[in-house]
Amino acid sequence: GQNIDQPTEMTATEGAIVQINCTYQTSGFNGLFWYQQHAGEAPTFLSYNVLDGLEEKGRFSSFLSRSKGYSYLLLKELQMKDSASYLCAALDSNYQLIWGAGTKLIIKP
Amino acid sequence: GAVVSQHPSWVICKSGTSVKIECRSLDFQATTMFWYRQFPKQSLMLMATSNEGSKATYEQGVEKDKFLINHASLTLSTLTVTSAHPEDSSFYICSVKGGWETQYFGPGTRLLVL
Repeated sequence: GQNIDQPTEMTATEGAIVQINCTYQTSGFNGLFWYQQHAGEAPTFLSYNVLDGLEEKGRFSSFLSRSKGYSYLLLKELQMKDSASYLCAALDSNYQLIWGAGTKLIIKP
Repeated sequence: GAVVSQHPSWVICKSGTSVKIECRSLDFQATTMFWYRQFPKQSLMLMATSNEGSKATYEQGVEKDKFLINHASLTLSTLTVTSAHPEDSSFYICSVKGGWETQYFGPGTRLLVL
């Protein structure tokens, strides 16, 4: 079957760095997305990786290893507004998005 | 990315009534839109894929006669929850498929059925 695994919850300190991991098993693979979802709001797009390696976008970076079925989202210089759920989603061979349950990130002062 | 709106943002209705939710793509011609449902503390659950001018494709377990989807234009898709019951209370979110399979989400509609 198809499956996405990511931690349920993580806690980090303001100003620090946090890495949110995601492993995936899909029928074929056409890329991996990260979305941010604040409580009570809809998800917003953060990143898309289809090739191996690290993509940096400001304070956020996303990494992909296709051979390992693994990705991570790296958040630097954490701010209180980064408190949110982070959703990992993989695109399978039929271009269907398989969603993870999300990682709730709690930022403490 | 695409700007997507949803209306209404909040709706409370009595059991047995029907509720229509609109999803509009404001600056992008949306050939494909998606409808999701999200229960508290759970991930997004895809309900159906809506293609402009054709019938929606429903996910397994989603009743097409209960959740009516119409995508008559490139900017508007509607989801009608017919004969709503309390168990239909949820957060309904639409999205527009953009370039590179990226999805741009509307702000969501909270439905509470009493």
